[in-house]
Amino acid sequence: AQRVTQPEKLLSVFKGAPVELKCNYSYSGSPELFWYVQYSRQRLQLLLRHISRESIKGFTADLNKGETSFHLKKPFAQEEDSAMYYCALSGSLTGGGNKLTFGTGTQLKVEL
Amino acid sequence: NAGVTQTPKFRVLKTGQSMTLLCAQDMNHEYMYWYRQDPGMGLRLIHYSVGEGTTAKGEVPDGYNVSRLKKQNFLLGLESAAPSQTSVYFCASSPLWGREGGDTQYFGPGTRLTVL
Repeated sequence: AQRVTQPEKLLSVFKGAPVELKCNYSYSGSPELFWYVQYSRQRLQLLLRHISRESIKGFTADLNKGETSFHLKKPFAQEEDSAMYYCALSGSLTGGGNKLTFGTGTQLKVEL
Repeated sequence: NAGVTQTPKFRVLKTGQSMTLLCAQDMNHEYMYWYRQDPGMGLRLIHYSVGEGTTAKGEVPDGYNVSRLKKQNFLLGLESAAPSQTSVYFCASSPLWGREGGDTQYFGPGTRLTVL
């Protein structure tokens, strides 16, 4: 069974401080992992995917298969980073499409 | 492009009432999904559709029905609402798997439903 764990409900950091949002997963196959973000009063949107190995808005995430983790990091937090962050694991659905299993989310609050 | 839209944005129902939530997408996506979001539980998949005229059950399908008569629309129905169905409902769509961006789901703004 697929499972995604985000241990922190709330993470509060000061502006300019480093950020690390934790995500651990459980999956028997080769995982495809994503981070989605939901800014206040906006819809959920893709932040980054592990397969792209990209940096979006200064955020990066490295897949560590040994530790089954996909932590989201940013060296210097900005006020506009305040949002709810969801880690998600993709799995195939019968007939097509991909099922996203979401973690419970971490609310990031960046304080001045 | 409007992307994924949902109507209504808010709704309050009494126990036993019925309603339909409408999701529409203008991106010609093959796949569509309905999720519910509850505090401390993340998003959970209710039903999904891999194409016009097809639907399938997700993780938490009980108490809901869906229909996809047109490719661009995916309807979620509650036949007899219960307080346990108080939640925020999100619709999402994605392109055909294997195509560029096929692993990305695009979400609507959500519908906040309260069942008294």
